[in-house]
Amino acid sequence: DTGVSQDPRHKITKRGQNVTFRCDPISEHNRLYWYRQTLGQGPEFLTYFQNEAQLEKSRLLSDRFSAERPKGSFSTLEIQRTEQGDSAMYLCASSLGRPTLGNTIYFGEGSWLTVV
Amino acid sequence: DQQVKQNSPSLSVQEGRISILNCDYTNSMFDYFLWYKKYPAEGPTFLISISSIKDKNEDGRFTVFLNKSAKHLSLHIVPSQPGDSAVYFCAASANSNYQLIWGAGTKLIIKP
Repeated sequence: DTGVSQDPRHKITKRGQNVTFRCDPISEHNRLYWYRQTLGQGPEFLTYFQNEAQLEKSRLLSDRFSAERPKGSFSTLEIQRTEQGDSAMYLCASSLGRPTLGNTIYFGEGSWLTVV
Repeated sequence: DQQVKQNSPSLSVQEGRISILNCDYTNSMFDYFLWYKKYPAEGPTFLISISSIKDKNEDGRFTVFLNKSAKHLSLHIVPSQPGDSAVYFCAASANSNYQLIWGAGTKLIIKP
């Protein structure tokens, strides 16, 4: 039984570099979400996919951020020209349909990004 | 504009006693509420949820109560155990919505 997996778990990068995170959702889940979390805050929604279609993007997702889910399975989140303010935990989650009773959103363990 | 509020940043409870974590919301369209638990450097782990058609849901040591008129929900953990020490997040979603709206979390510390 595999849950949501994310890679890498930790990334330290210099300001201005590009980084990419990968997420493998629970296999039968058609919805995939990206969230960002900083200390003392709850997760902030970034974007979500239904199968391969990116259906919503938060205003938090600047043009330096891009997410893809090309075959409706795994997803990547790329941050270009990283800034120190991008330092956070990036969480991937998946669900079978809209979050409601019986369709819980399950999270991966997160990818920590530190921009120095 | 915080639609989901957890007003207690932290809570300390003696092992074996009851822990009560509170959450308030403002959006009357929310119809599904969840509690997640989070350890440092890990993603949130789903604990328990409740639909707006119910006022109580119980799962083992965890019970969630929903008071729709007060727009308030609470998570009761009894008896509290050392492994329950973590940050607890309350989250909510509205019909036809695609995402969860999260509170800022409450850090629960269980004292031996």
